[in-house]
Amino acid sequence: GAVVSQHPSRVICKSGTSVKIECRSLDFQATTMFWYRQFPKKSLMLMATSNEGSKATYEQGVEKDKFLINHASLTLSTLTVTSAHPEDSSFYICSALDRGLAKNIQYFGAGTRLSVL
Amino acid sequence: AQSVAQPEDQVNVAEGNPLTVKCTYSVSGNPYLFWYVQYPNRGLQFLLKYITGDNLVKGSYGFEAEFNKSQTSFHLKKPSALVSDSALYFCAVRDGNDYKLSFGAGTTVTVRA
Repeated sequence: GAVVSQHPSRVICKSGTSVKIECRSLDFQATTMFWYRQFPKKSLMLMATSNEGSKATYEQGVEKDKFLINHASLTLSTLTVTSAHPEDSSFYICSALDRGLAKNIQYFGAGTRLSVL
Repeated sequence: AQSVAQPEDQVNVAEGNPLTVKCTYSVSGNPYLFWYVQYPNRGLQFLLKYITGDNLVKGSYGFEAEFNKSQTSFHLKKPSALVSDSALYFCAVRDGNDYKLSFGAGTTVTVRA
């Protein structure tokens, strides 16, 4: 299957700092990417849909000013957690939609474990 | 609205025995169904999908799933489980009008040697 790279895999930061997470589709172009948050032993919660060249669409209850999403190219979307606090500690996962050959399959990155001290 | 139910939090089987992970769905239009597997501290790996066509879909690592429209189910199966199949399995659905997926709560599979 297609490859999606997510970086960093783990980050520890102090409360009040900002953290940027990158999501790259390595072997296909992705006009649409998604950002999820996963709590321990829980399902994935969709945070936002990232669209290349336009503003992201946020799910209800997700603060767009806190979770900044930029999708400046067909292979890269970034999520910036601004002024992070301990309650933002979580596992963040991105996915990229592969529309090639009408597959329309989301391929996922390996995730980023964020710990805010 | 769309939703997925995975009724079992955990499934335990012995290596070599058949493995089944259950999934039922609800969607307003035609269902697009997916199974993903997640290993600890990793992202999700795509296993298989159903869009149209044969009700029995074959995927990666020897897994298959059967689409049953009347029962609105899409159970994941493997004829002979391996210890390495131990992981967290997610069923997901979307309808034809939106690319957003709705995931089930996940089923933890443990295959004992």
